[in-house]
This record gives sequence, structure tokens and C-alpha cells, in this order.
Amino acid sequence: DTGVSQDPRHKITKRGQNVTFRCDPISEHNRLYWYRQTLGQGPEFLTYFQNEAQLEKSRLLSDRFSAERPKGSFSTLEIQRTEQGDSAMYLCASSATGATAEQYFGPGTRLTVT
Amino acid sequence: AQSVSQHNHHVILSEAASLELGCNYSYGGTVNLFWYVQYPGQHLQLLLKYFSGDPLVKGIKGFEAEFIKSKFSFNLRKPSVQWSDTAEYFCAVIPNNAGNMLTFGGGTRLMVKP
Repeated sequence: DTGVSQDPRHKITKRGQNVTFRCDPISEHNRLYWYRQTLGQGPEFLTYFQNEAQLEKSRLLSDRFSAERPKGSFSTLEIQRTEQGDSAMYLCASSATGATAEQYFGPGTRLTVT
Repeated sequence: AQSVSQHNHHVILSEAASLELGCNYSYGGTVNLFWYVQYPGQHLQLLLKYFSGDPLVKGIKGFEAEFIKSKFSFNLRKPSVQWSDTAEYFCAVIPNNAGNMLTFGGGTRLMVKP
């Protein structure tokens, strides 16, 4: 399967702990996106990269959230000092460059903060 | 605030019934419009998209959507639903000044009774 993959698929953590999620995009895609989806809502954009450059990060929810894509391939999303309100599904998507390029979504990482 | 609204949160239909799911957005100017579907246990996937041209767009699995600029709407339709269409449907918008950031509606959960 050559789609977008995310790891782990599920993460349970205690409040105050740090968590890191990984996303591997489709190999030929140079754009990578992170979204968050809470129960009963549509996905909410967080940030995106073109190659290793983070082109938009103003939508990250707080300074506890950070993302990297050091070599322009996989990306990580880190949440520091987790809070119960961070419980959500974290989705990654990738696309080729271009205004009409389709974003392909991964299966998501479900985070539960206890 | 600029947003995407999906009027129906839950829809229940019998097989062979016609489907129309509403989507309205509040962005001025040019927009790119999308419908995504999430089948139970699966990733978000693109059903159809509109960038320009014919406002009646045909997608996969017999779905279509009509862009009505004057109404800021992009409603999804299918003449005859099947049990396999049971899924959650999300309308999404990229305003042309917003890079590649998808803004999603809250979703409509469709259940088709066999």
C-alpha cells in the first residue's frame, strides 16, 4: 500500500505528558498537511509543509504544538504538556504541488488524554 | 467568521431514494470546492472537486455537485443511493487566497437502510 501512513494509530497518554506522531506521505508528494478532528466536527487545518519548509503554522492551536519535516519526507507533530482538550484524531494528508492537487489523507492517530 | 456549513448532521434514507446534502460557505471571491467521504473504518477520500468551468461536477460512485455562486452553495446529489453509501460526508473549501488549507464543514452522517 503506497498511501499516507501514520503512526501510532492510537495513543493514550496522561495529562502533562508529551506525545509525538509520525506521518509518512505518498513518496512523490512534496506537500504535507496536518489536521485535527474532534468528535462530531470536520477536520481543522493545523499546518503544512512544502518539502522541508513549513509554509503555514499560524493555525497551530497553541505553542505546545509543533511540527517538523526535517528532510522533506516524513513529518512529526509534537504536543507538549498534553491537556484533556487535546484528545482528538490527528490527520495527515499529502499532495503534489499545484493549486488543483488532491490531498490524500492517512488513517489518523487517535489521541486520548486521561 | 468565515466558515463552511452543512445543514444536515444526520440523514437516514432507504435504498434507491434520492440524496441531496447541503453545503454553504461564507467566503467572498474565488473558491475551490470539495466533497470528501469517510466510509466506516476508512480514510477520508475525495468524492469530487470544483475549481472552475462547468458548475455541475461529476464525481465517483455516481455523485455530483452543483456550484451556485449566487447562493454560495455546493450541494451534493445522488439520484439513487445504495446501502454502501452509508458514510460521513464532508464539504470543504479552499479560498483562493488561502494556500492549500482545506476548511471543512461539520459533516453529514448518512445512513442508508437496505
